[in-house]
Amino acid sequence: KAGVTQTPRYLIKTRGQQVTLSCSPISGHRSVSWYQQTPGQGLQFLFEYFSETQRNKGNFPGRFSGRQFSNSRSEMNVSTLELGDSALYLCASSLRTDEKLFFGSGTQLSVL
Amino acid sequence: TQLLEQSPQFLSIQEGENLTVYCNSSSVFSSLQWYRQEPGEGPVLLVTVVTGGEVKKLKRLTFQFGDARKDSSLHITAAQPGDTGLYLCAGGMRLYGGATNKLIFGTGTLLAVQP
Repeated sequence: KAGVTQTPRYLIKTRGQQVTLSCSPISGHRSVSWYQQTPGQGLQFLFEYFSETQRNKGNFPGRFSGRQFSNSRSEMNVSTLELGDSALYLCASSLRTDEKLFFGSGTQLSVL
Repeated sequence: TQLLEQSPQFLSIQEGENLTVYCNSSSVFSSLQWYRQEPGEGPVLLVTVVTGGEVKKLKRLTFQFGDARKDSSLHITAAQPGDTGLYLCAGGMRLYGGATNKLIFGTGTLLAVQP
């Protein structure tokens, strides 16, 4: 059974650009969550989706948005990139909400 | 703001030694999870504890949830180089809408076990 797949693995952007990250959950999993990991702030919750509905959102500016498709795949978008957005973005899926989370390897975003 | 403080932040020990990592908060959590993360990978769930005072064992790892569900500890017996990694605790919450996968992660403990 394939794990959580995140693409791309690495990304380099410049300030002001926008970026879209993709996450394919484990087959059959309907819940997808996104987290940002930085050396200074650690892992911080971004969003949570279940059956195409955003169930929960973390304390991030409106430049951070996401969505989930009918096949449970999810994307997150960051517009008007800032240097501080450089981070490892992790996606996690679970069968249903409040069940064991399986994390992907992440997308390492560098903003120059 | 809910915070989970882990201590120590860094730990470098020799193979065969024992160690304990602590995870403390002023908030009550519905569950406490422990993860291990290796470089270039996402965190991998080790255990979930949900009942105050609960103790779970996973081979050489022993996890405990505090009676008040505000703190937890991870004890490793006879550490091995394969235990090297970043250990993260994470508190689970229940919101008005019910269950959620929103976790509050701890600050992390970087463990290095030297052969």
